Amino acid sequence: DVKVTQSSRYLVKRTGEKVFLECVQDMDHENMFWYRQDPGLGLRLIYFSYDVKMKEKGDIPEGYSVSREKKERFSLILESASTNQTSMYLCATKQGSREQYFGPGTRLTVT
Amino acid sequence: KQEVTQIPAALSVPEGENLVLNCSFTDSAIYNLQWFRQDPGKGLTSLLLIQSSQREQTSGRLNASLDKSSGRSTLYIAASQPGDSATYLCAVRGDWDSNYQLIWGAGTKLIIKP
Repeated sequence: DVKVTQSSRYLVKRTGEKVFLECVQDMDHENMFWYRQDPGLGLRLIYFSYDVKMKEKGDIPEGYSVSREKKERFSLILESASTNQTSMYLCATKQGSREQYFGPGTRLTVT
Repeated sequence: KQEVTQIPAALSVPEGENLVLNCSFTDSAIYNLQWFRQDPGKGLTSLLLIQSSQREQTSGRLNASLDKSSGRSTLYIAASQPGDSATYLCAVRGDWDSNYQLIWGAGTKLIIKP
C-alpha cells in the first residue's frame, strides 16, 4: 500500500510566523502535490513537483513556496502566515497516469 | 477551460438503497477520471480510476461508469450502509495536461440513515 504521511494533523500558528508543512511518501512516486481545501471552494492546487528540485505553480501559489530536496519529501512553506491561510492542507502523490494518493491532511489555523 | 460539476451537493437516503452519484465535465478530451471518498476532517481515499478508453470500473459494491461523449460519469453504490456516509469527489485529468494536474468537482455529501 502507498503510504503518504503529513507532519502534523493539527497546527495553530500566529500571523507572521514562518510555517513548514511536510509530506513524505514511501512509494518512490515522481509526482507530488500540495492542495488546500476550503468549504465551498473544493480542492485548489497550490504547487506540484514532478521530480527532485523541480516545482511548478498551481492555481493559487501566492503566499506559498515549496521545497523538494529528496524524492520522498515535499515541503510546503508559508513564508509569513496570514489568517486567510487558515485551511485544510492536503498532500498527494502520483506515479505516471495512475491514481493520486492522499495524506491525512493538516488542519492549519492562523490566529 | 474544463469544469467539473457534481450534483446534488448533498444526498440523504435510507440504509439498503442503491444510489447513483453524478459527475459531469465540459470538455470530453480527458485522459482519465477518478472517484475519491473523504471522511470528515480527513484526507481523500481513491476509490476508482477510469481511463478514457474504459467504460466502467468496479470495486466491491461500487461501480463507476464513464461516457466521454456526453461528459458524464456516475458512481453507483449498491446496498448502501451507514459506513458509506462521506463526501464523494470526482476529478478529471485532461488529455492536454502533461503535468498530471486534476480538475476537481466540489463533491457530493452522502448521508446514509440507519
